[in-house]
Amino acid sequence: NAGVMQNPRHLVRRRGQEARLRCSPMKGHSHVYWYRQLPEEGLKFMVYLQKENIIDESGMPKERFSAEFPKEGPSILRIQQVVRGDSAAYFCASSPPGAQGYEQYFGPGTRLTVT
Amino acid sequence: EDQVTQSPEALRLQEGESSSLNCSYTVSGLRGLFWYRQDPGKGPEFLFTLYSAGEEKEKERLKATLTKKESFLHITAPKPEDSATYLCAVNTGGFKTIFGAGTRLFVKA
Repeated sequence: NAGVMQNPRHLVRRRGQEARLRCSPMKGHSHVYWYRQLPEEGLKFMVYLQKENIIDESGMPKERFSAEFPKEGPSILRIQQVVRGDSAAYFCASSPPGAQGYEQYFGPGTRLTVT
Repeated sequence: EDQVTQSPEALRLQEGESSSLNCSYTVSGLRGLFWYRQDPGKGPEFLFTLYSAGEEKEKERLKATLTKKESFLHITAPKPEDSATYLCAVNTGGFKTIFGAGTRLFVKA
């Protein structure tokens, strides 16, 4: 039973480019969360999605960031026109139906470096 | 504003030296408190969920307890492989989970 999968594990982008981060939840899980972790800081909630729906995006920056979880395929976190301050580890987590907000299972993360 | 504070920020122990990590929270209503372990370069690994004051959970050398204002993660006779960052998080009933900044534990052989 594969866990949460994220790719790529490492991503280097130049300022102004786009970054696309992918997340495949655990089998049977229908809820996906995205978090950002800066060095020496805790995980910060960004967005919570179910299939084809954004449920809570209160932690997402208003500009340049978007997320989706299509009916088929992985969830995608997209960052347009990246800046150095976007450099961080981005984690995806999933939880099973009926357990939203409860224990979440995390992927290995994508480490984004903006040069 | 809901808040989760963990202390100490870092803890250095000798192998076999038991200790506790603290997680204090101020939230409007607690639906669940979670402990995670995070190794360098990896995602958090789920350890425990606690739902109500007085509840306790155990796993190997770890024991988590919960009161109305805080939670403790007790580590009994730690080993070097217990070295990691331990994260505490709370859910207040919505979809958002609030994480503390973590306690970095170092266990020396």
